[in-house]
Amino acid sequence: AQSVTQLGSHVSVSEGALVLLRCNYSSSVPPYLFWYVQYPNQGLQLLLKYTTGATLVKGINGFEAEFKKSETSFHLTKPSAHMSDAAEYFCAVTETGGFKTIFGAGTRLFVKA
Amino acid sequence: NAGVMQNPRHLVRRRGQEARLRCSPMKGHSHVYWYRQLPEEGLKFMVYLQKENIIDESGMPKERFSAEFPKEGPSILRIQQVVRGDSAAYFCASSPGSSGGASETQYFGPGTRLLVL
Repeated sequence: AQSVTQLGSHVSVSEGALVLLRCNYSSSVPPYLFWYVQYPNQGLQLLLKYTTGATLVKGINGFEAEFKKSETSFHLTKPSAHMSDAAEYFCAVTETGGFKTIFGAGTRLFVKA
Repeated sequence: NAGVMQNPRHLVRRRGQEARLRCSPMKGHSHVYWYRQLPEEGLKFMVYLQKENIIDESGMPKERFSAEFPKEGPSILRIQQVVRGDSAAYFCASSPGSSGGASETQYFGPGTRLLVL
């Protein structure tokens, strides 16, 4: 069965510092992987996704993530945090050939001035 | 191009009443997904529908919950005889349905926040 684990329910960084949000998944087949961001009282917005091809995926707002099959990971990074990055981030996985998307519990990112 | 619309944005019901949540997908999208989000938790898949068909409802509670996506009109998530534990944010997402299932980007609505008193 699929599952998604996001290490750290809360992450705090200083403005300008590196952002690293961790995501590990378990899946019996190669999955499709997604990162979404949710601002307060809003729906989710896609940051980036991995389907096939290059394992380093670039998304919106300067975020990127790398699919590492050997580590079953899809960590999200951004070189320099901005105050506007403060939000909740969700990693998600869908098995190829399937329909159901499984979400992690989320990581809330705080950015300190 | 309007995004995914959900209404109402907030819904208050007393225990035992019915809640009807509506979702209008993006123009041209034929696939709809419903998710539930409890406080401090991620989204939990409930149901996946295409026009007039339920494709996967494995995340739906066995009783009191139903969903439909008619040929015309919005998708409806119906919760009968609500209980306090149904209080949550319910999100709808849509996708085009053109490239096939799992790799498609889902576009989310703003959610309906249900409070059961």
